[in-house]
Amino acid sequence: GNSVTQMEGPVTLSEEAFLTINCTYTATGYPSLFWYVQYPGEGLQLLLKATKADDKGSNKGFEATYRKETTSFHLEKGSVQVSDSAVYFCALKNGGATNKLIFGTGTLLAVQP
Amino acid sequence: KAGVTQTPRYLIKTRGQQVTLSCSPISGHRSVSWYQQTPGQGLQFLFEYFSETQRNKGNFPGRFSGRQFSNSRSEMNVSTLELGDSALYLCASSANTGTSGDTQYFGPGTRLTVL
Repeated sequence: GNSVTQMEGPVTLSEEAFLTINCTYTATGYPSLFWYVQYPGEGLQLLLKATKADDKGSNKGFEATYRKETTSFHLEKGSVQVSDSAVYFCALKNGGATNKLIFGTGTLLAVQP
Repeated sequence: KAGVTQTPRYLIKTRGQQVTLSCSPISGHRSVSWYQQTPGQGLQFLFEYFSETQRNKGNFPGRFSGRQFSNSRSEMNVSTLELGDSALYLCASSANTGTSGDTQYFGPGTRLTVL
């Protein structure tokens, strides 16, 4: 079946450090891939997405590239800020007439000043 | 545009009771999905509605049900509540343009506590 695997957290970084959160997936067909972020007490916000192989999604300094050969969609940011502290979820959506998202377990990022 | 709204934001119920949660999608969005978020199980898909029809259903018992109205607003109902139903229930809406990259926009969630 379809699934998403994320690196275990928490990830603790100092401000301005480089961030990588690993995400790999298993899916039939050609899924779309997403990163969502959840701040404390809030719902999920879309951070970025990619819909086909080699697409790069980017937003607010975050980037992720859809790698079909390694079935990966790793999240990166060159210089994190304290305000980036949140839980990050990788997710996939298969094609077809459904909007069902399959999520990874989430990775807590804590950025210290 | 206003975002996805969910009511109520917090609920406390006791075992055996039933509960109804409401979701108003972004204006013009016709697809509404529901998810359950718990520390142990993470984010799990409950069901999706499109044009008042259930289009997809997750692996939850029949106590969990939903519906969608002609204005795309959706409700989910949980009957005979159990302690394990305590969770954050998230609603998401989508324009459902038919492209694979259709984005789902999430509401703030309803925090349900079952005592």
